[in-house]
Amino acid sequence: GIQVEQSPPDLILQEGANSTLRCNFSDSVNNLQWFHQNPWGQLINLFYIPSGTKQNGRLSATTVATERYSLLYISSSQTTDSGVYFCAVVPHGGSNYKLTFGKGTLLTVNP
Amino acid sequence: GAVVSQHPSRVICKSGTSVKIECRSLDFQATTMFWYRQFPKQSLMLMATSNEGSKATYEQGVEKDKFLINHASLTLSTLTVTSAHPEDSSFYICSATHHRGETQYFGPGTRLLVL
Repeated sequence: GIQVEQSPPDLILQEGANSTLRCNFSDSVNNLQWFHQNPWGQLINLFYIPSGTKQNGRLSATTVATERYSLLYISSSQTTDSGVYFCAVVPHGGSNYKLTFGKGTLLTVNP
Repeated sequence: GAVVSQHPSRVICKSGTSVKIECRSLDFQATTMFWYRQFPKQSLMLMATSNEGSKATYEQGVEKDKFLINHASLTLSTLTVTSAHPEDSSFYICSATHHRGETQYFGPGTRLLVL
């Protein structure tokens, strides 16, 4: 099956810093989503981005489908950005829209 | 929009009992719902895919008699953990989608502890 690798596995930032999270995938995809899992376990949809670039406030994402990677940018980080960031994909030709998750990046933003 | 709820949010039960978890799409009709399991500090693992009015499709290694899934309507899917054991303790999360290949929306999860 498709492999989804996220880097870095852990990231510690000071409030106000910028960061880039990466997601590499081993095959072409129909669907790619970025999620933030908060400390209570809720997954929050950040972006649906199988290709192209999107921005939402301090967050933006870019997926280069031909090179099989996606990047999530967090600018001016805040302590509330802490949590685990997951990238998840549905491979091209995948059945029933099943998402395959990466292992996540644990982000800690210190005040 | 696109809110998914789960109930209960946490449950503690004795070994050997059965536990039912509900997943509801509150403001849209979910053609497909998914059930995931997450162990501490790990990623989400898909357990099964649930389509309204048909039998669930289970992932390899997931016991269908252990984890009963019923998708009775376009807004409700239930997961029943039968004869629960301590190793079934985990965080169970559902998601729902209403369009082909579009965004999945996740519920807040249910923490199950089996004593």
